[in-house]
Amino acid sequence: GAVVSQHPSWVICKSGTSVKIECRSLDFQATTMFWYRQFPKQSLMLMATSNEGSKATYEQGVEKDKFLINHASLTLSTLTVTSAHPEDSSFYICSANGEGNTEAFFGQGTRLTVV
Amino acid sequence: AQSVSQHNHHVILSEAASLELGCNYSYGGTVNLFWYVQYPGQHLQLLLKYFSGDPLVKGIKGFEAEFIKSKFSFNLRKPSVQWSDTAEYFCAVTLYGNNRLAFGKGNQVVVIP
Repeated sequence: GAVVSQHPSWVICKSGTSVKIECRSLDFQATTMFWYRQFPKQSLMLMATSNEGSKATYEQGVEKDKFLINHASLTLSTLTVTSAHPEDSSFYICSANGEGNTEAFFGQGTRLTVV
Repeated sequence: AQSVSQHNHHVILSEAASLELGCNYSYGGTVNLFWYVQYPGQHLQLLLKYFSGDPLVKGIKGFEAEFIKSKFSFNLRKPSVQWSDTAEYFCAVTLYGNNRLAFGKGNQVVVIP
């Protein structure tokens, strides 16, 4: 099946700094990518929809200035957590859909810890 | 907004036992339905999906799910589980023509050898 790769798998950063997470579709072009956040023992919560070449669409309650999303090419979307705080510590997961393909392929996730 | 409900977050059973995980969704329109599995330390993987047609869907690793429209349900089943089925299972829904996935809270399944 299609492969989606996230980098890094885990990151620890100091409070107030910014962290960039990459999501790449390795063997297909992804016109749409999605970013999710997963809290311990809870479900994946959709944060935003990333569309190649256009602005991301954020879900209600997600701060777009804090979680910057860029989808500059058909194989790469990035999520930047700006001015990170300990409450931003979480597991972030991306998924990618090819054009016309309703099946989502998931990255392995990024564990962010803000200290 | 659409929502997805999964009950019995923790399920513990012995090998060869049968497994059934419930999934109910709240949206009344046309939906696409999915079950994903996350093995320890691995990506989410698609187990099976329903878009249209036969409401009984067969997926990988011996899993199947049945879409019952009148009950807004898409329950997952496996007649005889193995230790390797230990994982977290997520039900998810998208609206027809929309790829935004809404997930249930997941079922943590532990199979005891």
